[in-house]
Amino acid sequence: GEDVEQSLFLSVREGDSSVINCTYTDSSSTYLYWYKQEPGAGLQLLTYIFSNMDMKQDQRLTVLLNKKDKHLSLRIADTQTGDSAIYFCAEITYTGFQKLVFGTGTRLLVSP
Amino acid sequence: KAGVTQTPRYLIKTRGQQVTLSCSPISGHRSVSWYQQTPGQGLQFLFEYFSETQRNKGNFPGRFSGRQFSNSRSEMNVSTLELGDSALYLCASSLVTSGDNEQFFGPGTRLTVL
Repeated sequence: GEDVEQSLFLSVREGDSSVINCTYTDSSSTYLYWYKQEPGAGLQLLTYIFSNMDMKQDQRLTVLLNKKDKHLSLRIADTQTGDSAIYFCAEITYTGFQKLVFGTGTRLLVSP
Repeated sequence: KAGVTQTPRYLIKTRGQQVTLSCSPISGHRSVSWYQQTPGQGLQFLFEYFSETQRNKGNFPGRFSGRQFSNSRSEMNVSTLELGDSALYLCASSLVTSGDNEQFFGPGTRLTVL
């Protein structure tokens, strides 16, 4: 199937690290993405990782990829209240044609 | 560089009507993809257009259609609206094809069907 699973909710305190997890299904996915959606807004691409990488760091963001377990995670260091949003992981699938399949989304709440 | 723009931002229609949504991609981007976002089904792929041709299509009924113009602007149309069509419709543009390159999303059109 094309289910990309994420935990629904994560609550952290400002200054802590946040880790959002994602399990994807298509082992042939070449790119895996993390998007952020703030209330009333569209999706903002945060970062992506190519499938031949294990880790990618981009300022406060660290993406870890475990291809064997089809597990992707996004770590946000020094989480700020402005990071409160819904975070979606997405994979490329190639079932006849290529398309982005999004996870269910994780709502991150950062409290002061 | 201007981002992806979608019009209108909000729309209210009644069952049985039809609706047309518009998306203007980032200048130079030739691929436009459309997605439907609902609380129950999440984000689902509708279709993708590239150089005025529909290349990819998701699992939606024929009431959902689209087109792309020579300037890469795209429209999607939903006919015979149903209550379940209430959703946030997002379009995304990319340089080449959806997936090989980053997709940049517009703010969406929120459609409410009464």
